[in-house]
Amino acid sequence: DMKVTQMPRYLIKRMGENVLLECGQDMSHETMYWYRQDPGLGLQLIYISYDVDSNSEGDIPKGYRVSRKKREHFSLILDSAKTNQTSVYFCASSPQGNNQAPLFGEGTRLSVL
Amino acid sequence: GQGVEQPAKLMSVEGTFARVNCTYSTSGFNGLSWYQQREGQAPVFLSYVVLDGLKDSGHFSTFLSRSNGYSYLLLTELQIKDSASYLCAVRDRYNQGKLIFGQGTKLSIKP
Repeated sequence: DMKVTQMPRYLIKRMGENVLLECGQDMSHETMYWYRQDPGLGLQLIYISYDVDSNSEGDIPKGYRVSRKKREHFSLILDSAKTNQTSVYFCASSPQGNNQAPLFGEGTRLSVL
Repeated sequence: GQGVEQPAKLMSVEGTFARVNCTYSTSGFNGLSWYQQREGQAPVFLSYVVLDGLKDSGHFSTFLSRSNGYSYLLLTELQIKDSASYLCAVRDRYNQGKLIFGQGTKLSIKP
């Protein structure tokens, strides 16, 4: 079954805590993405990964880092979370090729208090 | 610079049609995608266009004019369940293939 799975779906953290968001896909897609979505701003790209250990910053990478040690798994890490990182985070994956539209996971709602 | 613009809201009536507009600017256009996103859910892929003209996919059709940096998504025979946000995304060949999303248009359908 072609699917992008995100864990957890909901998360509440305190300011300064570390946050780990996990994403998996079962399609052997080379490219994976992390976006955040805020009202009025749409989806903003945080990081893109072209394959294992081949990661590139997106438009808003500050305050985030990523890890991709296996093709099917892509993690987003917030070291010392801030309140302005409260958002909905979406992971997506796509095969190589510019005409391949990403498939999105269900999202993780993160609240940083 | 690069950017994708969409109107924030659109209203229409059940049984009629709705046209969701998208304008973009990019240095190396390499395709435009449309997604549907229901409240609290993931974006779902609808259509991809890279050549000028109208692409008819039944309930959803998409139009592209590369010279004008313009696309629209046309929904016909609207149903209440078509109420959702519609996202336009552009890929730039000079930006490592990254997708740039517009803010999305929230379509509300009245009976």
